[in-house]
Amino acid sequence: NAGVTQTPKFRVLKTGQSMTLLCAQDMNHEYMYWYRQDPGMGLRLIHYSVGEGTTAKGEVPDGYNVSRLKKQNFLLGLESAAPSQTSVYFCASSYSPGLAGADKYFGPGTRLTVL
Amino acid sequence: AQSVTQPDIHITVSEGASLELRCNYSYGATPYLFWYVQSPGQGLQLLLKYFSGDTLVQGIKGFEAEFKRSQSSFNLRKPSVHWSDAAEYFCAVAPFGNEKLTFGTGTRLTIIP
Repeated sequence: NAGVTQTPKFRVLKTGQSMTLLCAQDMNHEYMYWYRQDPGMGLRLIHYSVGEGTTAKGEVPDGYNVSRLKKQNFLLGLESAAPSQTSVYFCASSYSPGLAGADKYFGPGTRLTVL
Repeated sequence: AQSVTQPDIHITVSEGASLELRCNYSYGATPYLFWYVQSPGQGLQLLLKYFSGDTLVQGIKGFEAEFKRSQSSFNLRKPSVHWSDAAEYFCAVAPFGNEKLTFGTGTRLTIIP
């Protein structure tokens, strides 16, 4: 049981290049999330998905797109990378929250640098 | 909108000493409250959470937190820290029944021998 995995772990892009970050979970979770973490700002939600085939915008969605074609995978795309997107990106997943709230399981992160 | 404040950016504690990390939230009703820990180079791990009931909650690794409605606080405590507790700690809040977490900016904990 690998939990939540992210590919790649590190990446350096030039301004204007595109890339896709892959998140995979093997816990059969319905919900998946993409966050970015910047110094002094905590984690901010980019996009999330409440099930296969669904996506929704979070707090900072501009410049990113996502897809959830399979329940276990959640892809984050940067169509034209900008230096402001230099960050550490975390994926997370959880089962449907209900009233008790759901524990989120986080991946190890992807460190992205845009030059 | 909800918000979370962690007033201490960095705390240094001697090994074996007690620890308290502060967290204040702003929200119109009682929210879900969480503490996460992030070890260097790792993702976040849930330490504990509160959503109702007993205001003192126990978590993993010997941590506990107390919800105080009158102070809008959810401070994290540990009676005796270990060198392995050195990490960054994040408080987070979510509205009741909602999955959208809002994180604080984090407190970095350093342990000295």
